[in-house]
Amino acid sequence: DAGVTQSPTHLIKTRGQHVTLRCSPISGHKSVSWYQQVLGQGPQFIFQYYEKEERGRGNFPDRFSARQFPNYSSELNVNALLLGDSALYLCASIPRVPISYEQYFGPGTRLTVT
Amino acid sequence: QQQVKQSPQSLIVQKGGISIINCAYENTAFDYFPWYQQFPGKGPALLIAIRPDVSEKKEGRFTISFNKSAKQFSLHIMDSQPGDSATYFCAASMAGNTGKLIFGQGTTLQVKP
Repeated sequence: DAGVTQSPTHLIKTRGQHVTLRCSPISGHKSVSWYQQVLGQGPQFIFQYYEKEERGRGNFPDRFSARQFPNYSSELNVNALLLGDSALYLCASIPRVPISYEQYFGPGTRLTVT
Repeated sequence: QQQVKQSPQSLIVQKGGISIINCAYENTAFDYFPWYQQFPGKGPALLIAIRPDVSEKKEGRFTISFNKSAKQFSLHIMDSQPGDSATYFCAASMAGNTGKLIFGQGTTLQVKP
């Protein structure tokens, strides 16, 4: 069984640029959540998507946006990158919404902003 | 009220010893408390989780102890092994918002051979 896949693995961008990160959940899972993990800290919730609709949003600026596609894969977009956006971006796959609590994380995308 | 506080920040244990990591929360609406293990360069992996109607849950060498009145929960790793060396995160979420996990700050565990 394939787990959560994320692409790319690593990414280097310049301040002011735009970035798109991609996630495919575990087969059969219809919901994903996105998290930002700054080095040395716990992951911070950014978004949850279920059935292509936003179900929750964390305390992140409007530069962060996301969407979910009919095949339940998802994209996280970040505009006007800042140095502080450098982090590991994690996607979590959620089995059953709204009753499921378990979240299974992918390997993440390491974003470096220079 | 949305915070989960984790301690200690780092922990060194001898092989075969017991590792204990503690977490505390304020929001009584939390009703799911998982622990995650994260190795360098990897995403967090779900280890074990507990609901507040249970005071203890054990899976292999890993045990969660839960104290609802004190709003605290802890992870015990019995017979700690060098392969357990990783960063451990506690987290919490609540009904109606199951897509949002609130994480503690993490504990870096080193198990010495």
